[in-house]
Amino acid sequence: AQKITQTQPGMFVQEKEAVTLDCTYDTSDPSYGLFWYKQPSSGEMIFLIYQGSYDQQNATEGRYSLNFQKARKSANLVISASQLGDSAMYFCAMRALSSASKIIFGSGTRLSIRP
Amino acid sequence: DTGVSQDPRHKITKRGQNVTFRCDPISEHNRLYWYRQTLGQGPEFLTYFQNEAQLEKSRLLSDRFSAERPKGSFSTLEIQRTEQGDSAMYLCASSTPGGTEAFFGQGTRLTVV
Repeated sequence: AQKITQTQPGMFVQEKEAVTLDCTYDTSDPSYGLFWYKQPSSGEMIFLIYQGSYDQQNATEGRYSLNFQKARKSANLVISASQLGDSAMYFCAMRALSSASKIIFGSGTRLSIRP
Repeated sequence: DTGVSQDPRHKITKRGQNVTFRCDPISEHNRLYWYRQTLGQGPEFLTYFQNEAQLEKSRLLSDRFSAERPKGSFSTLEIQRTEQGDSAMYLCASSTPGGTEAFFGQGTRLTVV
């Protein structure tokens, strides 16, 4: 069975600081993908970044980077130079090949940026 | 706008009524997913289509729930005899076969009164 764990229900960060959102996963499948999504109060799920299990380098997309540590089964999201607009819920998700491409989500972390 | 589109955005219905939601995926995406999200929780997987074939259904999808994707394009999710516990945000997502991106629609918020 696959599982995603996000242990930080909420975080407060000062504007312009970097922030790391934790995510650990569990799967026995050697082939999988990891996703991060942002969900602002409007409710829309916004795709941020993807990391494949065989990717050699950590994924980056603008201010977002994914710190992929395969042996530890962790896929932390790093947001550099945080902005007020980054305040939102953040979800880590995984898709394993053996689960017929079903994407499962963690419980989320609510990030609040202080001015 | 070429993103995932869901209709309606909001639905209020009386307990016991049937409701149907529609999802139009990104046109070149052959995979389509339905999720349910309750307040403060992550999305819960309901069902998944590849083209018109429904490949997986969650145990959450009771026999009151049915989903279709008849021509491999848009999909519908029907809930029969709605209950108050069905109140939630229903999210649709689509992705390419390569699967390195999966995009969500804005969701349909269902309130059962």
